[in-house]
This record gives sequence, structure tokens and C-alpha cells, in this order.
Amino acid sequence: TQLLEQSPQFLSIQEGENLTVYCNSSSVFSSLQWYRQEPGEGPVLLVTVVTGGEVKKLKRLTFQFGDARKDSSLHITAAQPGDTGLYLCAGPSDGGATNKLIFGTGTLLAVQP
Amino acid sequence: DVKVTQSSRYLVKRTGEKVFLECVQDMDHENMFWYRQDPGLGLRLIYFSYDVKMKEKGDIPEGYSVSREKKERFSLILESASTNQTSMYLCASSLGTGYNSPLHFGNGTRLTVT
Repeated sequence: TQLLEQSPQFLSIQEGENLTVYCNSSSVFSSLQWYRQEPGEGPVLLVTVVTGGEVKKLKRLTFQFGDARKDSSLHITAAQPGDTGLYLCAGPSDGGATNKLIFGTGTLLAVQP
Repeated sequence: DVKVTQSSRYLVKRTGEKVFLECVQDMDHENMFWYRQDPGLGLRLIYFSYDVKMKEKGDIPEGYSVSREKKERFSLILESASTNQTSMYLCASSLGTGYNSPLHFGNGTRLTVT
């Protein structure tokens, strides 16, 4: 059974701090996605990483896919209150044949002004 | 922008009731999904549909059924609601398959079964 474990589960930081969120598995994934879910809303896709070792940047957010495609990380530089939300990693459960995704348990981030 | 609309934000139902959760997407997407979200467990797939009248079980289909009579609408049915089905239910759609077709989610229905 494929599992995605995220750490930490909760993170409360001050505005301006840096942070890293991890997504780990013992299984190889063909790709991994990161979503952010704000209170009262559904998850919204931030990025998809496909190639082992790939690094993608989205403004202050940096996403990395592990070389072995078993893990990923999200680094936020100079966090802002608008970054507050639940961060979820997700990967295809069947190699991408369909869009059935397995989701990690999530990291709840609170950025205090 | 894709819009996925779930008919209710909050629902309160009694044990044993038959419950319908409705979801509509406006972008002619092929695939539609129902997930439930519980603290500490993440999102778990209940059912998905890749075409009208086609459905496939996800990871936790027990106690649920679905209906897709029209491409834009995907309904989740709780045949006899139980308290352990109290949860946040999220509907999603995607255009096709693969990583180039991300999921677009609705804002969720929070169901409480008493």
C-alpha cells in the first residue's frame, strides 16, 4: 500500500521566518503534486514535480522532488500571513493511469503577523 | 476558471437517513471524484467516475454509492447514514488523466450525522 507521510503536522511561525515541509514515502511515485487548502475552501494545486531531483520555484515557495522520486519538500522563504493554510502532497496511486491520487496527511501552517 | 460547486456547505442528518451530496462542474471534465477529509487522515478517495454512468470504487467505498447520469454532475449517496460518516466531503474534477490534468476541488460539504 502506498502511503505519503508529511512532517511536521503543525507549524506555527512568525512572519518573515523560513520553513520546510516534508513529504515522504517508501514507494516510488511517477510525479508528486502539492496543494494548499485555505479555511473553508477546497485544495488548490500549487505545483507538480515529475523528474527526480527537479526543483521548481513559485515566488517564495521552492519545491523539490527527491532523486529517487520517493520524497518531496516545500520550502517557504520569508513566510507571510497569506501563506497560512493546510499543505498537502499527493501522488498517483496507479502510476498515473487515472487521476486517482493518494494524499498525505497534511501540514497545517499558521503564520503569525 | 474551472468551477466545481457543491450544493451544500453544511448538512446535519440523523442516523439511518438517506443522504445525497451533489456536485456540479462547469468545464466539461471527464473525471469526477469524491473524497472525504478527516483530521490526521488526509483526503481519502471514496469513488470516482471517468465517464457518464461509469464509476469505480476508491479506497473507502463501504457505505457509499454514486451516480453520474450527466457529465457535469456527480452525486454521492449515503444509503443509511451513520455517525462514523460525519466528515468533510470534497468533490473534484479533472479534464483527463496524468499529471497535466490536476484536480479542481469544490469548497466541501461538512456533514454531521447525529
